[in-house]
Amino acid sequence: GENVEQHPSTLSVQEGDSAVIKCTYSDSASNYFPWYKQELGKRPQLIIDIRSNVGEKKDQRIAVTLNKTAKHFSLHITETQPEDSAVYFCAASAGDYKLSFGAGTTVTVRA
Amino acid sequence: NAGVTQTPKFQVLKTGQSMTLQCAQDMNHNSMYWYRQDPGMGLRLIYYSASEGTTDKGEVPNGYNVSRLNKREFSLRLESAAPSQTSVYFCASSSGVGGTEAFFGQGTRLTVV
Repeated sequence: GENVEQHPSTLSVQEGDSAVIKCTYSDSASNYFPWYKQELGKRPQLIIDIRSNVGEKKDQRIAVTLNKTAKHFSLHITETQPEDSAVYFCAASAGDYKLSFGAGTTVTVRA
Repeated sequence: NAGVTQTPKFQVLKTGQSMTLQCAQDMNHNSMYWYRQDPGMGLRLIYYSASEGTTDKGEVPNGYNVSRLNKREFSLRLESAAPSQTSVYFCASSSGVGGTEAFFGQGTRLTVV
């Protein structure tokens, strides 16, 4: 099955700086790569996703890049704000209904 | 719309007790899922139902059973709870074939003592 590894497990950034989270996947058939944000005590919610036919996608301060050859994808958050503090999960799916998640990255934005 | 609703939100069980976690969605989604979340391990798939009438094992199915009661409802049963099943459980749904957004319920925090 799919194995998704996520790094780093924790990330502390100064407000206004950028944050980068990286994930690798094992199944070359994976074609859908979403990112979820989970605030403390809340449910995970989708913040951005990318499909295998696209190399990069951006939504305001958030961007995701995908390198299919290397089987890795990354989340970039620019101009971080206190409300960006949360746990972020990457995931991968090979189109078989199953999402495989990374272990998560706890992001703390320091004021 | 309520989205995905899970009950209960909190539960404490004694080892060996049984219980059923309920999940319902009102988005007319075909696919539903049960995940467990443990510190440092992300979200791991327990069981899923690709469509009404079908269920399949995920990554960590041992000790659990599921029922897709109808298109809206997908329940998770622990027949004989064990301390290793202490976790936060999330139900989720999506419109169908992999590659679509999964919407999560608010979670159930289960403690087995």
